Amino acid sequence: DSGVTQTPKHLITATGQRVTLRCSPRSGDLSVYWYQQSLDQGLQFLIQYYNGEERAKGNILERFSAQQFPDLHSELNLSSLELGDSALYFCASSVGGGGAPDTQYFGPGTRLTVL
Amino acid sequence: GNSVTQMEGPVTLSEEAFLTINCTYTATGYPSLFWYVQYPGEGLQLLLKATKADDKGSNKGFEATYRKETTSFHLEKGSVQVSDSAVYFCALSDRTGGFKTIFGAGTRLFVKA
Repeated sequence: DSGVTQTPKHLITATGQRVTLRCSPRSGDLSVYWYQQSLDQGLQFLIQYYNGEERAKGNILERFSAQQFPDLHSELNLSSLELGDSALYFCASSVGGGGAPDTQYFGPGTRLTVL
Repeated sequence: GNSVTQMEGPVTLSEEAFLTINCTYTATGYPSLFWYVQYPGEGLQLLLKATKADDKGSNKGFEATYRKETTSFHLEKGSVQVSDSAVYFCALSDRTGGFKTIFGAGTRLFVKA
């Protein structure tokens, strides 16, 4: 158990809908990262938040957004969903915010299926 | 920019066979290097890491040596078990990349009994 929790575990929805994925980092970790894992694209970094502020952006679509709240939990919002958004979405956390190499601790993931 | 290249899988081995998964990297600075493992149905977890040239990371019988001259960080294990079946990701993080972790594509390992 990494100490990172993600909800829900599974999500099935229809094209055009909007969903919210939730992540709670390990106690004491200030950074939260979001990744998308699909069979054809591998593990894609989406975005990082550190202590409530956006720190780094990866291949995140404009239809996707994220935020980190004062209690450090984070939410990833996916809107206007398309079939191609079906994937595993992982959240990871780490102590630091990018000032040094950091081990990331991954949650169990949310499997999103768009029908 | 920084990048990580891993050997393509899947790799299929019999139990007790020797494992090597190749990983090479491109980085402008002096990166730290990592191997993460993803067991079926789970998230990634750190397997081992090395922070400078010639360092050897080791854990659970796995080891990898940071080779700056060949920009490589190959993962090895002398005798694999069925329970080692998983996807293995090589990754790097360095100052010039803002310490953002760059992951390789992953290599799937199947170990047969």
